[in-house]
Amino acid sequence: NAGVMQNPRHLVRRRGQEARLRCSPMKGHSHVYWYRQLPEEGLKFMVYLQKENIIDESGMPKERFSAEFPKEGPSILRIQQVVRGDSAAYFCASSPTGREEYGYTFGSGTRLTVV
Amino acid sequence: GNSVTQMEGPVTLSEEAFLTINCTYTATGYPSLFWYVQYPGEGLQLLLKATKADDKGSNKGFEATYRKETTSFHLEKGSVQVSDSAVYFCALSDQTDKLIFGTGTRLQVFP
Repeated sequence: NAGVMQNPRHLVRRRGQEARLRCSPMKGHSHVYWYRQLPEEGLKFMVYLQKENIIDESGMPKERFSAEFPKEGPSILRIQQVVRGDSAAYFCASSPTGREEYGYTFGSGTRLTVV
Repeated sequence: GNSVTQMEGPVTLSEEAFLTINCTYTATGYPSLFWYVQYPGEGLQLLLKATKADDKGSNKGFEATYRKETTSFHLEKGSVQVSDSAVYFCALSDQTDKLIFGTGTRLQVFP
């Protein structure tokens, strides 16, 4: 039973390019969360999705960032026109029910570097 | 709003020393509390949790007790090992089930 799979593990983008981060949840999990970890900081919530629906995007920057979780395939976090301040580790977590009491499983993260 | 405050690191200990990492929280209602561990280059792993006041979470020799009167959830271990070297995050789950994390405490254990 594979865990939460994130790819790529490391991503380097030049300023102005687009970054696409992928997250495949655990089998049977239909709830996906994205968190961002800036250097030397804790994780900050970005967005919560279920299949084909955005449930809570209160942590998403208003511009350049978007997320989706289609009926088929992985969840995608997309960052357009990246800037140096987007450099961070992006973690995805999945859950079977959307409630923490049943546990979130985190992936190993994608480390984005903007040069 | 809800928040978590944990002691700054790094915490540097010799093997077999006693560990305490302090964590306090601010929250409305009755949040669940968690400790997560992050080993170098990896994602977060749930270490332990407590869902109501006076509950004690424990795992791998680590313990933490949910203290509502002091709004604390301090992490302790009686005898640390080199393999415990990692970053430890205290977190709470708010009414919407989002996790709110502290800034993390780096633990370094030397032989």
